[in-house]
Amino acid sequence: GAVVSQHPSWVICKSGTSVKIECRSLDFQATTMFWYRQFPKQSLMLMATSNEGSKATYEQGVEKDKFLINHASLTLSTLTVTSAHPEDSSFYICSARLHEISYNSPLHFGNGTRLTVT
Amino acid sequence: AQKVTQAQTEISVVEKEDVTLDCVYETRDTTYYLFWYKQPPSGELVFLIRRNSFDEQNEISGRYSWNFQKSTSSFNFTITASQVVDSAVYFCALRPTNTGNQFYFGTGTSLTVIP
Repeated sequence: GAVVSQHPSWVICKSGTSVKIECRSLDFQATTMFWYRQFPKQSLMLMATSNEGSKATYEQGVEKDKFLINHASLTLSTLTVTSAHPEDSSFYICSARLHEISYNSPLHFGNGTRLTVT
Repeated sequence: AQKVTQAQTEISVVEKEDVTLDCVYETRDTTYYLFWYKQPPSGELVFLIRRNSFDEQNEISGRYSWNFQKSTSSFNFTITASQVVDSAVYFCALRPTNTGNQFYFGTGTSLTVIP
């Protein structure tokens, strides 16, 4: 089945530093990938839609300068949390659809990245 | 409005009991898709099932079964003879066809199966 790989699984960084999270579709190409954020015991919140070869589409309330998204190829999207603060600590999870033009195609999720900012 | 409600925040059952996780959705779209995902403690979300709005047939897959009732806008999930490995957070999601790429997730139900 479709596999989405996310790296790193967890990261601890100091306030003010930047952290890059990678999301790769391993056995399929994805022109569109999605980045979600999940707070403890809460649902997934869509942050942005990553589009290969063009700018990401951010959801309302998500700072594009804070969360930089780059979709450089059909198999890789990166999320960079810039100038991280403790409130950015969260679980970040990416996803992609195997068949992008099919509405019933489920999202396949990466294993997530737990970010802790100290 | 597009919305998914999972009223049960946490459920605990004893192993081998049956358990039903409720999901109620709201949408104005006439065509939409519904999904269930499992999130074990390790964090990754695992796709379990999808259902389109035109197919109200219930589905059974091993110990899992799903009851889709359009009349009540519900898509409930039952685990029969629960096992400890079923312990996870379960999310119900809605994908209307007229909202681009957006999936609407419920807040999840945390299921604990006690041995």
